[in-house]
Amino acid sequence: LAKTTQPISMDSYEGQEVNITCSHNNIATNDYITWYQQFPSQGPRFIIQGYKTKVTNEVASLFIPADRKSSTLSLPRVSLSDTAVYYCLVGGGSARQLTFGSGTQLTVLP
Amino acid sequence: GAGVSQTPSNKVTEKGKYVELRCDPISGHTALYWYRQSLGQGPEFLIYFQGTGAADDSGLPNDRFFAVRPEGSVSTLKIQRTERGDSAVYLCASSRTGTSGGLQETQYFGPGTRLLVL
Repeated sequence: LAKTTQPISMDSYEGQEVNITCSHNNIATNDYITWYQQFPSQGPRFIIQGYKTKVTNEVASLFIPADRKSSTLSLPRVSLSDTAVYYCLVGGGSARQLTFGSGTQLTVLP
Repeated sequence: GAGVSQTPSNKVTEKGKYVELRCDPISGHTALYWYRQSLGQGPEFLIYFQGTGAADDSGLPNDRFFAVRPEGSVSTLKIQRTERGDSAVYLCASSRTGTSGGLQETQYFGPGTRLLVL
């Protein structure tokens, strides 16, 4: 199983861009990288998924270098409502590989 | 449309009792997952259903835990002889077709059931 490493916590201010990096040195050839967001007392919510280079949607961007040993979730112009835990997941071949880890607690300050 | 729902939202029980937790997935989703989340930790995989069958139950911690999905829709997680260490939030998720090949399908999570074993 590909193990992921993320910062435990990050602070930012409203309106800033936030980048959260995840390390996954043992990523397998067919593994995708997926990010989820979780608010208190709610289940996780899908944010973005990618395999290589860059993926962008209406919420975030995901940057994946050529060696795919890390990935960076970019949240443009964060607001207070972006305060949440963000999880990086690597895998796809089986449900057993869906390991969330401890995630990154992002706190957006006014 | 309706999302994943879980009942009850909270459950308090005594050590040694039996509990059932229910999950109603999004209509038409064939894949269903159960996770357990302890305070300050990420969700921990328990079991994955594809249709009516458990495609992967390798995350169930021991034989006190069992889950069923008899008609390929609603699922019930059953915990026998509950222990204080079973206290956690139990999350259910569903996806359209599940995980296959290299691509993870988006999972849609319910709000969870908070289980407290006294």
